Amino acid sequence: EDKVVQSPLSLVVHEGDTVTLNCSYEVTNFRSLLWYKQEKKAPTFLFMLTSSGIEKKSGRLSSILDKKELFSILNITATQTGDSAVYLCAAYYGQNFVFGPGTRLSVLP
Amino acid sequence: DADVTQTPRNRITKTGKRIMLECSQTKGHDRMYWYRQDPGLGLRLIYYSFDVKDINKGEISDGYSVSRQAQAKFSLSLESAIPNQTALYFCATSDATWTAGLEPQHFGDGTRLSIL
Repeated sequence: EDKVVQSPLSLVVHEGDTVTLNCSYEVTNFRSLLWYKQEKKAPTFLFMLTSSGIEKKSGRLSSILDKKELFSILNITATQTGDSAVYLCAAYYGQNFVFGPGTRLSVLP
Repeated sequence: DADVTQTPRNRITKTGKRIMLECSQTKGHDRMYWYRQDPGLGLRLIYYSFDVKDINKGEISDGYSVSRQAQAKFSLSLESAIPNQTALYFCATSDATWTAGLEPQHFGDGTRLSIL
């Protein structure tokens, strides 16, 4: 069964902390790993990772993929209250997507 | 205007009723998807369509049906709603060429459905 697992499922930190969110996947015909941020409405796209070991960065967020060990991490440095959201990881395989359960991040002032 | 529009935004209805959720897009994408989201379970695929004549079951299609009326429209029906279909429903689109490096799926804002 194709699946994506995320950990932790929820996390509470204070502003300024650095967090690491984990995503592991087991899918056939893997093509890409995607990260989304979901606040109150639709998920918004953060990163797409296709190659191992190449870090993608956007401001305080960065992500990397390990295709040998079948996992990805999303790092957020110097967290802010606006980073509070559910972070979803998805694997694109064949011609479809499978999503993990998400990590709910709460950043306290 | 939103690129992917879902209607209604919220719906409360009773067990046994027939319900239709509608999705329309202005992105010109061929591929459209319906997902449901439940707390702690992420997004689960119900049905997807890669063009007007193509309909495919996803992970959890039982109890649901879809219709792709045009490239821009993809509707989801619950023929006889039951309480465990209470969830947040998302429509998404993608371009068949997105694997060339373009942005992947675009989501609507969701329909919150409650079955009493």
